[in-house]
Amino acid sequence: SQTIHQWPATLVQPVGSPLSLECTVEGTSNPNLYWYRQAAGRGLQLLFYSVGIGQISSEVPQNLSASRPQDRQFILSSKKLLLSDSGFYLCAWKRKGSTNEKLFFGSGTQLSVL
Amino acid sequence: AQTVTQSQPEMSVQEAETVTLSCTYDTSENNYYLFWYKQPPSRQMILVIRQEAYKQQNATENRFSVNFQKAAKSFSLKISDSQLGDTAMYFCAFMKMKTSYDKVIFGPGTSLSVIP
Repeated sequence: SQTIHQWPATLVQPVGSPLSLECTVEGTSNPNLYWYRQAAGRGLQLLFYSVGIGQISSEVPQNLSASRPQDRQFILSSKKLLLSDSGFYLCAWKRKGSTNEKLFFGSGTQLSVL
Repeated sequence: AQTVTQSQPEMSVQEAETVTLSCTYDTSENNYYLFWYKQPPSRQMILVIRQEAYKQQNATENRFSVNFQKAAKSFSLKISDSQLGDTAMYFCAFMKMKTSYDKVIFGPGTSLSVIP
């Protein structure tokens, strides 16, 4: 069966510090991968998605970046965090060309920038 | 660009009653998927129901059903016999069908409270 791991679960970082959130998927190959952010009490904003190694599409210009160094690994990074980067970050994956289309989500990372 | 709108930020329903959550979307695509996801207090995202735009029949999953009106671009979720465990944020989502870059766009969500 497929599983998605996302860590850490919670993170408190000072303004200006770097960020690295990691997401890995097991039990499948060549998935589409996604990073979403959910501000407090708000909806899900798509930040990045990837259809393959090294292929990243950015939806929102900001100080965040994403990378996909391996087929089932998706990393969200920042060189210098801003207060506005606080939020709940969700990683998700989806099979390509499936007849049972849906997103599978990780358990999320709560990031607080102070 | 596709957009998803949920006009009800908060709703409440008595336990065992029926509630309908609204969702509208904007797209020029003809083939797509629509979803309802649930996010309980645990914050884990759970798929509730899925609808393919080419299917005229409304999807149902136990107590959950949708009213899909393609021409009106409307996709509402009906929850029957509401239970306390249905208390959650509910997100409507849209995805184009069978494209290489199949991003999923979510609405702002509706916070549903089931009252005992």
